[in-house]
Amino acid sequence: KAGVTQTPRYLIKTRGQQVTLSCSPISGHRSVSWYQQTPGQGLQFLFEYFSETQRNKGNFPGRFSGRQFSNSRSEMNVSTLELGDSALYLCASGQGEAGELFFGEGSRLTVL
Amino acid sequence: GENVEQHPSTLSVQEGDSAVIKCTYSDSASNYFPWYKQELGKGPQLIIDIRSNVGEKKDQRIAVTLNKTAKHFSLHITETQPEDSAVYFCAASLSGGSQGNLIFGKGTKLSVKP
Repeated sequence: KAGVTQTPRYLIKTRGQQVTLSCSPISGHRSVSWYQQTPGQGLQFLFEYFSETQRNKGNFPGRFSGRQFSNSRSEMNVSTLELGDSALYLCASGQGEAGELFFGEGSRLTVL
Repeated sequence: GENVEQHPSTLSVQEGDSAVIKCTYSDSASNYFPWYKQELGKGPQLIIDIRSNVGEKKDQRIAVTLNKTAKHFSLHITETQPEDSAVYFCAASLSGGSQGNLIFGKGTKLSVKP
């Protein structure tokens, strides 16, 4: 069974640009969550999608957005990039019921 | 909102010794407490979890204890091995783990010296 796949794995952007990250969950999983990981703040919850609807949202500005498609694949977008957005962005999928979250290996974003 | 504190931030032990990592949470309504292990270049992986109706759970060399009154939970690793070296994160959830909105501690970097 394939795991959670995130693309791209690495990317470099400049301030003011926007970026779109993609996540393919484990087959059959309907919940996709996104997290930002930085050395200073650790793992912070961005948002969660379940059956194409945003179910939970963390405390991030509106520049961070996401969506989920009918096949459960998800994308997150960050607009007007700032230096502080440099981070590892992790996607996790789950069945939407009580149980394990499975994480991908992340997309490492560097903003110059 | 929920806040999770994790200690220590770094922990170094000799192979074969035990390691203990402690976390406290602020919201008494939290009811699901997973522990994740993250190796270099990889995403976090669940190693054990506990729900608020249970005080202790064990899986081979790993155990987790939960004290709801004091709002703290701990990870215990016995007979540590070099492959246990990684960063460990505790987390808490208000939704019993059914939703993907975990609040994580800042992590503990565990080094096991052969």
